[in-house]
Amino acid sequence: QVQLQESGPGLVKPSETLSLTCTVSGGSISSSYWSWIRQPPGKGLEWIGYIYFSGSTNSNPPLKSRVSISVDTSKNHFSLKLSSVTAADTAVYYCARGREWFDPWGQGILVTVSS
Amino acid sequence: QSVLTQPPSVSGAPGQRVTISCTGSSSNIGAGYDVHWYQQLPGTAPKLVIYDTSNRPSGVPDRFSGSKSGASASLAISGLQAEDEADYYCQSYDSSLRVFGGGTKLTVL
Repeated sequence: QVQLQESGPGLVKPSETLSLTCTVSGGSISSSYWSWIRQPPGKGLEWIGYIYFSGSTNSNPPLKSRVSISVDTSKNHFSLKLSSVTAADTAVYYCARGREWFDPWGQGILVTVSS
Repeated sequence: QSVLTQPPSVSGAPGQRVTISCTGSSSNIGAGYDVHWYQQLPGTAPKLVIYDTSNRPSGVPDRFSGSKSGASASLAISGLQAEDEADYYCQSYDSSLRVFGGGTKLTVL
């Protein structure tokens, strides 16, 4: 079955760009929509955005100006870039399959914003 | 403040039935959009337990059920088991965005 795995730095400095990749295994990335969701420590879930394999995207307005989501079908992975990060961007970042609902999810990666 | 409102906590004894509510508005659940539910066990990623308001993914026990009325939705868990102790989140659609409830902590007494 499809499995997802997030990867990237666990520590990012304030004002820099957070960059994460989600690698899809057990299925083709060209078959669905793919999303990013985050969860600050001890808090609830926040949808970041999604991408289709064709490259079309949609993202959450509060983050839209700082978010870039891309896909690389040759590597079967998709990526998230979040610019100008602050401590408020510290969270566990999840990738997931889907656009209307999300299933399955990756295990998540904790990204801490700190100098 | 979350667009969808859930009670912070619910509890029940083993074997009992509990429900978790998710209250939205005329721009999301009340507009007819489906609701989806996730279970998050401590220290793990969320897992889909109900999609499209009342459908269970393969592998989810039939003790889990979902419903909707007006601008609110509910997740019901019958025959409560210790392993059901987790955080539960509802999720829907609102103005082209995907929105989550604030989450409900289910405690099995």
